Amino acid sequence: DADVTQTPRNRITKTGKRIMLECSQTKGHDRMYWYRQDPGLGLRLIYYSFDVKDINKGEISDGYSVSRQAQAKFSLSLESAIPNQTALYFCATKGQGDTGELFFGEGSRLTVL
Amino acid sequence: AQSVTQPDIHITVSEGASLELRCNYSYGATPYLFWYVQSPGQGLQLLLKYFSGDTLVQGIKGFEAEFKRSQSSFNLRKPSVHWSDAAEYFCAVVTPGFQKLVFGTGTRLLVSP
Repeated sequence: DADVTQTPRNRITKTGKRIMLECSQTKGHDRMYWYRQDPGLGLRLIYYSFDVKDINKGEISDGYSVSRQAQAKFSLSLESAIPNQTALYFCATKGQGDTGELFFGEGSRLTVL
Repeated sequence: AQSVTQPDIHITVSEGASLELRCNYSYGATPYLFWYVQSPGQGLQLLLKYFSGDTLVQGIKGFEAEFKRSQSSFNLRKPSVHWSDAAEYFCAVVTPGFQKLVFGTGTRLLVSP
């Protein structure tokens, strides 16, 4: 089984719908991240969390919210999806003592029609 | 703010030829730099990282990178490219306190027969 698991892997939805992307990890890491990948733009940070009581906005948090339900779970929500949120979303984790390496899930491809 | 520039969007290399992918960073202090690879349909995998010491670092899959402070560069190289190296490559720099990674826009490598 993967260390960082994202569900769903693919989702097609309509404008205005609420969508939740889930991430769970078995690495025991404290830090979890949500990135968005768009062609030509690389990966941009949406939100990150250092523990269940610590949530931080990244560079593109507008239109998104997150929940850290437990150390191992970090969910990303789109309250009212819009077409320009169509993208590939990645969850990643990092240990507190590590010097920077992130461990990524396989991604969740979201299409908003 | 920290930033990373990857000037090449696409690069095509013949199988067996050498490869160099460019990365330039903007950072006030000694940077901690990374190269990640994303194979089609996969998450990102760490190729190598530079923190200090020897400016030539070795990574997995036969890749290496050289840190050049005078040029603010951290270029990725491989002496002989294999068809399986076709992927997207991302350079990244970590922010102070190792809180998060800032990624470049990526370079897509195509390998021709």
